[in-house]
Parts: sequence; C-alpha cells; structure tokens
Amino acid sequence: DIQMTQSPSSLSASVGDRVTITCRTSQRITTFLNWYQQKPGKAPKLLIYATSNLQTGVPSRFSGSGSGTDFTLTISSLQPEDFATYYCQQSYSTPLTFGGGAKVEIK
Amino acid sequence: QLQLRESGPGLVKPSETLSLTCTVSGGSISSSNYYWGWIRQPPGKGLEWIGSIYHSGSTYYNPSLKSRVTISVDTSKNQFSLKLSSVTATDTAVYYCARPQVRGAISDAFDIWGQGTRVTVSS
Repeated sequence: DIQMTQSPSSLSASVGDRVTITCRTSQRITTFLNWYQQKPGKAPKLLIYATSNLQTGVPSRFSGSGSGTDFTLTISSLQPEDFATYYCQQSYSTPLTFGGGAKVEIK
Repeated sequence: QLQLRESGPGLVKPSETLSLTCTVSGGSISSSNYYWGWIRQPPGKGLEWIGSIYHSGSTYYNPSLKSRVTISVDTSKNQFSLKLSSVTATDTAVYYCARPQVRGAISDAFDIWGQGTRVTVSS
C-alpha cells in the first residue's frame, strides 16, 4: 500500500493568511494526487485533482503543486469558510489511500 | 444532477454482518461506465477506501478488508451494496458511497459523495 503522510496535522491561522499543507507519499505516484476539504458532519468535497487541477466551482485561492512523492495544497488568502480538515488521496494504484488529515483552525 | 444516498441499520451487533445500500438518482448505474465506491471514516479519524464495483459486477477491494467485504450491484434498482461480515467495534464509522470523476477508472478522485451514514457496532 502507498502510505500518505500529511503535515502539519493541525494548524491555527487567521483570515487572510497564506496556508500550506504538505502530503508525502511512500512511493512515487507521478501526479496522481487529489485534495479534499471536509467540514464537520459533511462528506468530503473534492478541491483539486491530479495535483494541480481545480475542481469546477472551487475558488482560485486554492492551488496544488508537486510531483513524485511531495505535494502541496496552498490557500493563498484564508477565508472564514475555509476552516475545515483537508485530506490528500493518491489515485495511482489500489488500494486507494488517504492522508491522515490536516485541520485548519481559527487563530 | 447525480445524487447518492446511503441507507441501512445504524446499529449492528459484534460478529454480525453490516449491510448498507447506496441508491443512485439522476443517472443510471448500468449505462454510466463508472466504478462505484465505498469509503468509511471512523469517529475522529481519516478516510479508508473499502472497495469499488463496476456495473458488470467487477470488484476491487482493499486487501485489509477483503476477507470480510462483499460489494454487489443491482442495476434494476440502480443501487449498489456493501456487506461487511464479522464486525467489531473498530468497524464503527461513517460509511460513504462515492463515484469517481472518470468513467472506467478504478483509481481516481471521487467527485460525487453521498451524505454518509453512521454505523455503530455495539451489543
């Protein structure tokens, strides 16, 4: 199985801050990396697929980058509605695996 | 607009079989050429892919659960189902059904999710 390690597992930030979350995989997955946002009591929502492609309707303040084993999700200017938990997921091979999550909290 | 909805018992006894159904509306399972998936999330924890099924019945399972999991499809009802046998407290989770973005792709991002159903394993 491909192991996914996200960091940090949690962070506190203020509205307007630039936030970066990292995902590292245990083996190279080219660009088969996806990012989700999950709010309490809700299903995950796809934000970015294939490393850097913004899902339809997702604000442009979200961006993704990386390749190989190291990937990044960036929120350029944190908004109140962005406080949530973010998960990475590899779609390179089965079993599909997810990172442990990164909780973005209000400072 | 495609929608998924999970249904099934919210409480299952240890050693019994968990059974859930995902009903698809706004589209046809049989003509869509997608793999349909099950994903779960234990309380306060991350996401775990359980497995996926094609309308033909072809399945892929997570090896960690494969010995206990059966996913099936009923195209006449536009539903697919999950059975997890010999459950323990560690199977307590919110169970989601989901559809990947790309037709015919077993390994892909999931862009459509059900709202999830909470299942507790307890006597």
